[in-house]
Amino acid sequence: NAGVTQTPKFRILKIGQSMTLQCTQDMNHNYMYWYRQDPGMGLKLIYYSVGAGITDKGEVPNGYNVSRSTTEDFPLRLELAAPSQTSVYFCASWATYEQYFGPGTRLTVT
Amino acid sequence: AQKITQTQPGMFVQEKEAVTLDCTYDTSDPSYGLFWYKQPSSGEMIFLIYQGSYDQQNATEGRYSLNFQKARKSANLVISASQLGDSAMYFCAMREGLGALIFGKGTTLSVSS
Repeated sequence: NAGVTQTPKFRILKIGQSMTLQCTQDMNHNYMYWYRQDPGMGLKLIYYSVGAGITDKGEVPNGYNVSRSTTEDFPLRLELAAPSQTSVYFCASWATYEQYFGPGTRLTVT
Repeated sequence: AQKITQTQPGMFVQEKEAVTLDCTYDTSDPSYGLFWYKQPSSGEMIFLIYQGSYDQQNATEGRYSLNFQKARKSANLVISASQLGDSAMYFCAMREGLGALIFGKGTTLSVSS
């Protein structure tokens, strides 16, 4: 099991550019999540999904979009990147009582 | 609204000593779960320990134990016999509906020799 994988690990974007952060899990988990972590802070929920075709907003969804066409994949789309989206992005999936986190994507918008 | 509070921005401890990291929570849901995660400087989130709201006993995992005081709404992490490798940021989190976690702001633990 690879667990939760994320690509890329690092990315620098210019203001106004768009990109997709990829997330894949091989544990057949229905529940998946995207969080962001700003410097010195805890994680905040951006979007989540309870299964293929079902997504919903979390605490900080503005500027992001998600899709869930398969159980395994849960990509996060940034449209028109802004400096406020500079952060570390974590994808996670849920089973029983533990969330499994991916290694994170460090994004800088300049 | 559900909330997690970690009031200690930084804690310092010497090797082999025990340390307690504080966490208080607020929720009106009778069913909830409390978690502690470790985040070393490399950035990954490492699951340490879990306590369910209906669990009768405090959770333990090796050198980690969770001091769960339901009436006081506290879920402190106790690390026994600290090691240099324990130096990291520690996050307390609570599970809300649909499995998403609400995180505190974290406590930085520094272990010295």
